[in-house]
Amino acid sequence: EPEVTQTPSHQVTQMGQEVILRCVPISNHLYFYWYRQILGQKVEFLVSFYNNEISEKSEIFDDQFSVERPDGSNFTLKIRSTKLEDSAMYFCATTMDREEETQYFGPGTRLLVL
Amino acid sequence: AQSVTQLDSHVSVSEGTPVLLRCNYSSSYSPSLFWYVQHPNKGLQLLLKYTSAATLVKGINGFEAEFKKSETSFHLTKPSAHMSDAAEYFCVVSLSGNTPLVFGKGTRLSVIA
Repeated sequence: EPEVTQTPSHQVTQMGQEVILRCVPISNHLYFYWYRQILGQKVEFLVSFYNNEISEKSEIFDDQFSVERPDGSNFTLKIRSTKLEDSAMYFCATTMDREEETQYFGPGTRLLVL
Repeated sequence: AQSVTQLDSHVSVSEGTPVLLRCNYSSSYSPSLFWYVQHPNKGLQLLLKYTSAATLVKGINGFEAEFKKSETSFHLTKPSAHMSDAAEYFCVVSLSGNTPLVFGKGTRLSVIA
């Protein structure tokens, strides 16, 4: 069964450093999402992406965050200058088309900012 | 605005006994509702979904959930717990396709031998 994959599984970084989290969507999926879960809190929506542009973003997704799909396969989330509060589990999700409500999730990247 | 409340942060059951994980939702429109499960070091796996068809929804691994509009609930049940059911379970609501999912805080299910 096709799966969404994410790399790395874990990342430790220093405050102020840039990090890039990578996601490989299911091959025929067109809509992509990033969510995060701070330890002990709810899974929160960050951003959705379709046709090489952002469809929707939450208040969390400020200027420090960016997304792109540079090579038509990887879907990346970049945090420009990490803060301690960016420490969280980051999940990528994908759906096939506009009408599909089921989002398929990757295993997540656990980011720790020191 | 949509929201989801999972009433228990942790549920512990004995193997072979029934499982009940409770979820209440709030939505201005007719929502779609989901249960996802997360095993350690794994992604979020879809267990089942309700999308305005039958109110009793059957999912994988013997789980099912019943949509009760009058109670705004979507509780997850299983007649007999198995050790492999131990995981984190998330109740999720969606307004329509291609909209962000809204998650509950999760319920950790422990199964005791």
